Amino acid sequence: DIQMTQSPSSLSASVGDRVTFTCRASQSISKYLNWYQQKPGKAPKLLIYATFSLQNGVPSRLSGSGSGTDFTLTITSLQPEDFATYYCQQSYSTPYTFGQGTKLEIK
Amino acid sequence: EVQLVQSGAEVKKPGESLKISCKGSGYNFTNYWIAWVRQMPGKGLEWMGIIYPGDSDTKYGPSFQGRVTFSADKSISTAYLQWSSLQASDTAIFYCARQTDYSSSSRTINWFDSWGQGTLVTVSS
Repeated sequence: DIQMTQSPSSLSASVGDRVTFTCRASQSISKYLNWYQQKPGKAPKLLIYATFSLQNGVPSRLSGSGSGTDFTLTITSLQPEDFATYYCQQSYSTPYTFGQGTKLEIK
Repeated sequence: EVQLVQSGAEVKKPGESLKISCKGSGYNFTNYWIAWVRQMPGKGLEWMGIIYPGDSDTKYGPSFQGRVTFSADKSISTAYLQWSSLQASDTAIFYCARQTDYSSSSRTINWFDSWGQGTLVTVSS
């Protein structure tokens, strides 16, 4: 199985900040990396698929990059609605494993 | 609008059986894989596996193989997740999600673009 490791596990930031989340795969997964956001008590929501592609309706202050084993999700100019937990997920091979998540909290 | 609507919360005793459902609408249910994802209390997301409602082909995650069964009834656009004998460790929220596939030159890439609202399963004596 491919292991996905996210860092940091938690992050404190302020509205207006720029933040970057990191996701590392235990082996190369090319560009097969997706990012989801989950708020407490809610289902996950797709943000970015195939490393770079923004899901419909997701604001352009979010962006994804990377390839191979190292990937990042960047949010510029944090908004109050961005405070949530973020998960990466590889879709290179089954089982399509998730990272353990990064919780973004308000400073 | 694509929607996945899951069945309601369940409270069960260890050893009991259970079947929860996920009903799709707003798209051709038979043409998309449905994934099941577990979230244990206070924990992250775990991929359990997928089912293709068109032919009921299934792929299970190693941690879930033999512990759960996926099925689908394409006539009513509904996928199911079932247990024959629940354990306390099965207590979790279970999500279904639609998997969208895109075939590139080398392989198929996929992602989960629509999710059900989740079904809380509590197993306690």
